[in-house]
Amino acid sequence: EPEVTQTPSHQVTQMGQEVILRCVPISNHLYFYWYRQILGQKVEFLVSFYNNEISEKSEIFDDQFSVERPDGSNFTLKIRSTKLEDSAMYFCASSKQGGNTDTQYFGPGTRLTVL
Amino acid sequence: GQSLEQPSEVTAVEGAIVQINCTYQTSGFYGLSWYQQHDGGAPTFLSYNALDGLEETGRFSSFLSRSDSYGYLLLQELQMKDSASYFCAVKTEDNFNKFYFGSGTKLNVKP
Repeated sequence: EPEVTQTPSHQVTQMGQEVILRCVPISNHLYFYWYRQILGQKVEFLVSFYNNEISEKSEIFDDQFSVERPDGSNFTLKIRSTKLEDSAMYFCASSKQGGNTDTQYFGPGTRLTVL
Repeated sequence: GQSLEQPSEVTAVEGAIVQINCTYQTSGFYGLSWYQQHDGGAPTFLSYNALDGLEETGRFSSFLSRSDSYGYLLLQELQMKDSASYFCAVKTEDNFNKFYFGSGTKLNVKP
């Protein structure tokens, strides 16, 4: 069964450094998402992406964050200058359609640790 | 703002039935989803309700009452592997591809 994949599974970085988290969505899916989950807390929506542009973003998704689909398969989240509070699990998800019955398939996540 | 309320933790025994409630206050409403998340794992989609009523998928059922801004997930014939966190998530009308998640309910299934 097709699945969303993410790399790396764990990323450790120094505060102020840039990180790029990578995702490969399911191949025939059109909508892509990033979520984050701080340890022990709820899943928080960051951004959705369709047709090579951002369709929705949350208050968390400020100028520090950017997303890109650099080629036909990858979907990346860049954090420009990491802060301690960016430490979290970052999940990528994809869905076939954006309609009201769509199902989002989540990747296994990247655990980001900012020191 | 958006608010989803769920119990933080529920404990039940194997073979029992458990209901996890979710009440929401959001600026709009398009549908209610439920996700399961095992410790250290990714959320996995369980169900979606856009209309009032009960949707059944095997041992799991999900219910929605739009007039009461309320839904629940019903798990029957509980198994040890059902021990996980369960999140409700609302898709708001004015944000077509944006979901607000509740804080999650940790379900502990005991033998």
